[in-house]
Amino acid sequence: GENVEQHPSTLSVQEGDSAVIKCTYSDSASNYFPWYKQELGKGPQLIIDIRSNVGEKKDQRIAVTLNKTAKHFSLHITETQPEDSAVYFCAASNSGYSTLTFGKGTMLLVSP
Amino acid sequence: NAGVTQTPKFRILKIGQSMTLQCTQDMNHNYMYWYRQDPGMGLKLIYYSVGAGITDKGEVPNGYNVSRSTTEDFPLRLELAAPSQTSVYFCASSARQTNTEAFFGQGTRLTVV
Repeated sequence: GENVEQHPSTLSVQEGDSAVIKCTYSDSASNYFPWYKQELGKGPQLIIDIRSNVGEKKDQRIAVTLNKTAKHFSLHITETQPEDSAVYFCAASNSGYSTLTFGKGTMLLVSP
Repeated sequence: NAGVTQTPKFRILKIGQSMTLQCTQDMNHNYMYWYRQDPGMGLKLIYYSVGAGITDKGEVPNGYNVSRSTTEDFPLRLELAAPSQTSVYFCASSARQTNTEAFFGQGTRLTVV
């Protein structure tokens, strides 16, 4: 089955800095890579996703890059703000199956 | 819009007791999932369903059971609670396959003592 590794487990940045979270996956057939943000006491919420037919996708301060050859993808957050503080999860799936495999999460702390 | 609703939000069980975690969604989604979240371990899939009457095991199904009699509801049953089942449980749903957005409930924090 799929295995998703996520690094780092914690990341502390100053407000205004950039943050990068990296994930690797094992199944070369995976073709969908979402990122979820989980605020304290809440369920995860999708913030951005990318499919295997593109290498990069951007939405305001958030971007995701995908390298299918190396089987890794990354989340980039620019101009971080305190409200970006949360746990971020990457995930991967193959449309031929029915389930997502999640990484273990990254706790991002943005200090004012 | 309610989305995915889980009840209860918190529960303390004694070892050997049983309970049902309720999950309902109002988005007419075919796919529904149950995950457990343990500190530093991410989200592990317990069971999932691709439609009413169809369920399948995920990565960590032991000690749990599910049913899917309607499109809206996907309850999770713990028959003989054990301390290892202390966790936060999340229900989620998606429209078709998992390469579309999954919507999560607020979670149920369960403690087994």
